[in-house]
Amino acid sequence: GIQVEQSPPDLILQEGANSTLRCNFSDSVNNLQWFHQNPWGQLINLFYIPSGTKQNGRLSATTVATERYSLLYISSSQTTDSGVYFCAVGDHGSSNTGKLIFGQGTTLQVKP
Amino acid sequence: ETGVTQTPRHLVMGMTNKKSLKCEQHLGHNAMYWYKQSAKKPLELMFVYSLEERVENNSVPSRFSPECPNSSHLFLHLHTLQPEDSALYLCASSQPSSGELFFGEGSRLTVL
Repeated sequence: GIQVEQSPPDLILQEGANSTLRCNFSDSVNNLQWFHQNPWGQLINLFYIPSGTKQNGRLSATTVATERYSLLYISSSQTTDSGVYFCAVGDHGSSNTGKLIFGQGTTLQVKP
Repeated sequence: ETGVTQTPRHLVMGMTNKKSLKCEQHLGHNAMYWYKQSAKKPLELMFVYSLEERVENNSVPSRFSPECPNSSHLFLHLHTLQPEDSALYLCASSQPSSGELFFGEGSRLTVL
């Protein structure tokens, strides 16, 4: 099955710094989502981005489907950005069920 | 009101108990999912329901029994669990046409 790798596994930043999180996947995908898991466990949707570039406030994401990677940019980081960031992909075989395969996540800690 | 609601948020049960987790979605979606998140592991897909029909059972032990009475509700019945089943159980829903998943807050289960 499709493999999803995220890097770095852990990241510590000072408040105000910028960062880039990477997601590599091993096969073509028809769905790619970025999530932020808050301290209570809920997965918050950040981006639905199977291809192209999107921006939402201080966050933006780019997926280059032909090269099988996606990047999540966080600018001017805040302590509330702390948590685990997951990349998840759906392969073409899952188009009828919408199921996602998750990476291991990047744990981000933003220090004041 | 959040789009996907899970109850209870926390559950502690003994190995001989029978309990159920409930999920309700208010997004008009017609596919629902159970995912399991154990410590130090990526999220694992357990079950997929599309139009109230189970379309995927990801080799889950029979002590986990899903039920989808309609497109808005999903249950996970728990019976004779093991301590290693302690985890965060996440429900999600989607429209299969887009595949974009939306998650509930999760139910944290502890098996004693």
